[in-house]
Amino acid sequence: LAKTTQPISMDSYEGQEVNITCSHNNIATNDYITWYQQFPSQGPRFIIQGYKTKVTNEVASLFIPADRKSSTLSLPRVSLSDTAVYYCLVAENSGGYQKVTFGIGTKLQVIP
Amino acid sequence: GAVVSQHPSWVICKSGTSVKIECRSLDFQATTMFWYRQFPKQSLMLMATSNEGSKATYEQGVEKDKFLINHASLTLSTLTVTSAHPEDSSFYICSAAKLAGGGMNEQFFGPGTRLTVL
Repeated sequence: LAKTTQPISMDSYEGQEVNITCSHNNIATNDYITWYQQFPSQGPRFIIQGYKTKVTNEVASLFIPADRKSSTLSLPRVSLSDTAVYYCLVAENSGGYQKVTFGIGTKLQVIP
Repeated sequence: GAVVSQHPSWVICKSGTSVKIECRSLDFQATTMFWYRQFPKQSLMLMATSNEGSKATYEQGVEKDKFLINHASLTLSTLTVTSAHPEDSSFYICSAAKLAGGGMNEQFFGPGTRLTVL
């Protein structure tokens, strides 16, 4: 079971780029890396997923080095509404479906 | 996109009663659904994996007789908290797995159900 380690909290000013790094030293060959966002009293929302190198979508970018032992979620020009908890997950293959384990997440506070 | 709903969104019950929470995948079929529990200021904790047409797989430490899971169709899984007690008060979240490309399953989460046991 690949364990992830993230900073507990981060602060950023509005309009800044935010980079959240996650360590997953024991990631397995078939594991994917997924990031979720969660607001209070809501279910997590999918942000981005990747296996290696760089992935970009309309919301964020995900950078994964060649050794895949870490990954960095990049949020461009954050706004106050990006204040949330961000979870880095490593997907575990379990009998054909992906069972995931949530770590403590990173609480991002965007400051005006 | 893929939408997952939960019902009810919140429930208050007396100690000793049973509460049923529904999880539905609205626009896709999900052979696998997951149930999580989240206490205040803590992360999500996986309780069980629900497979359509078969018994659920429970995580270590989760009482299967207390948390009954039924996945009777490809779009519905239910979690019943039996004989609820105040310590069962929590935020219960389900997710549904949707097959994506490359053999990957993407998980889409419901909005959660806040259970308060008096």
